[in-house]
Amino acid sequence: AQSVTQLGSHVSVSEGALVLLRCNYSSSVPPYLFWYVQYPNQGLQLLLKYTTGATLVKGINGFEAEFKKSETSFHLTKPSAHMSDAAEYFCAVSEASGTYKYIFGTGTRLKVLA
Amino acid sequence: NAGVTQTPKFRVLKTGQSMTLLCAQDMNHEYMYWYRQDPGMGLRLIHYSVGEGTTAKGEVPDGYNVSRLKKQNFLLGLESAAPSQTSVYFCASSKNTGELFFGEGSRLTVL
Repeated sequence: AQSVTQLGSHVSVSEGALVLLRCNYSSSVPPYLFWYVQYPNQGLQLLLKYTTGATLVKGINGFEAEFKKSETSFHLTKPSAHMSDAAEYFCAVSEASGTYKYIFGTGTRLKVLA
Repeated sequence: NAGVTQTPKFRVLKTGQSMTLLCAQDMNHEYMYWYRQDPGMGLRLIHYSVGEGTTAKGEVPDGYNVSRLKKQNFLLGLESAAPSQTSVYFCASSKNTGELFFGEGSRLTVL
């Protein structure tokens, strides 16, 4: 069975500091991996995704993530945090089985301090 | 561009009442999903559909029913609401690129 673990339900960083949000997954087949962002009172929006090919994936708003198969990880990073990055971030995994059943992590709420 | 539209956005029910949440998408997507979001639990899949006229159970289907009579619509029904169904409900759709497109959510409170 697939699962996703996000370490840290709350993360605080200073404006301009590195953002690192951790995601580990388990999957018995090659996974598709996603990061979504949720701003207050909104639905989720896709930040980036890994399906096949290059393991370093670049997304919107300066975020990127690296798929590390040996570590079963897909951590999200951004070199310099901005106040507008404050939101909740969800990691998700799916199998390319045709139904695209996604398993979501429990989310990490990012706070950016001035 | 409408994308995925959910109605209603807010609803308060009494225990035992019934209601239907409507999801409509204008992207001609085959797959549609209903999730619930609860604090500290992420998103959990209630039911999903891989095409018009088909539905399937997700992780937490008990107490919910769904229908997909038209490709663009996916309805989520609660026949007899319970306080445990107080949650924020999200509809999503996707095609074969693997990206989910979400609605803005429907906040349901069951008293």
